[in-house]
Amino acid sequence: DAGVIQSPRHEVTEMGQEVTLRCKPISGHNSLFWYRQTMMRGLELLIYFNNNVPIDDSGMPEDRFSAKMPNASFSTLKIQPSEPRDSAVYFCASTRKGPQETQYFGPGTRLLVL
Amino acid sequence: DQQVKQNSPSLSVQEGRISILNCDYTNSMFDYFLWYKKYPAEGPTFLISISSIKDKNEDGRFTVFLNKSAKHLSLHIVPSQPGDSAVYFCAAYTDKLIFGTGTRLQVFP
Repeated sequence: DAGVIQSPRHEVTEMGQEVTLRCKPISGHNSLFWYRQTMMRGLELLIYFNNNVPIDDSGMPEDRFSAKMPNASFSTLKIQPSEPRDSAVYFCASTRKGPQETQYFGPGTRLLVL
Repeated sequence: DQQVKQNSPSLSVQEGRISILNCDYTNSMFDYFLWYKKYPAEGPTFLISISSIKDKNEDGRFTVFLNKSAKHLSLHIVPSQPGDSAVYFCAAYTDKLIFGTGTRLQVFP
């Protein structure tokens, strides 16, 4: 079975550029989560969707970050404009019904903003 | 403001001995606690969990202990194996999962 798929796996960009991270959840999973991992703050929940609808975006750092889920099999996290402090590993996770279930994580996208 | 804290960023243990990873939390409303394990270049994977109504849950070599009065939980790995070397994240749940900063465990021969 395919797990959660994320692309790209690595992204290096310059400050000010737009960055788009992509995620395909496990088929049949209706909840999708975006996390950011940093040394200082560990894994932080940025936003989660249930049935393609954003439920909680309180973790989104600021207006430079946006996330969409146009259908059940695809989500994007966009940073525009990117800044060096956005450098981190971004994970996508999914569950069948909601955050109370075991979350299955993708391999992550390592982002470096120069 | 970290609601879930892992104060030891790293731990080194000899193979065969016990590994004890600790986690403290501040929110008494958390009703479910989990440990995730993460290898390099991979996403975290679920390891073990415990409900707030219990004080211990065991799964093979892994045992999680919960002390609600101290707002503290710990993960015991016995015996530790080199394959256990990874980053371990503690997480707590109310309406969403809150993760700690992780502890890097290294098990050496």
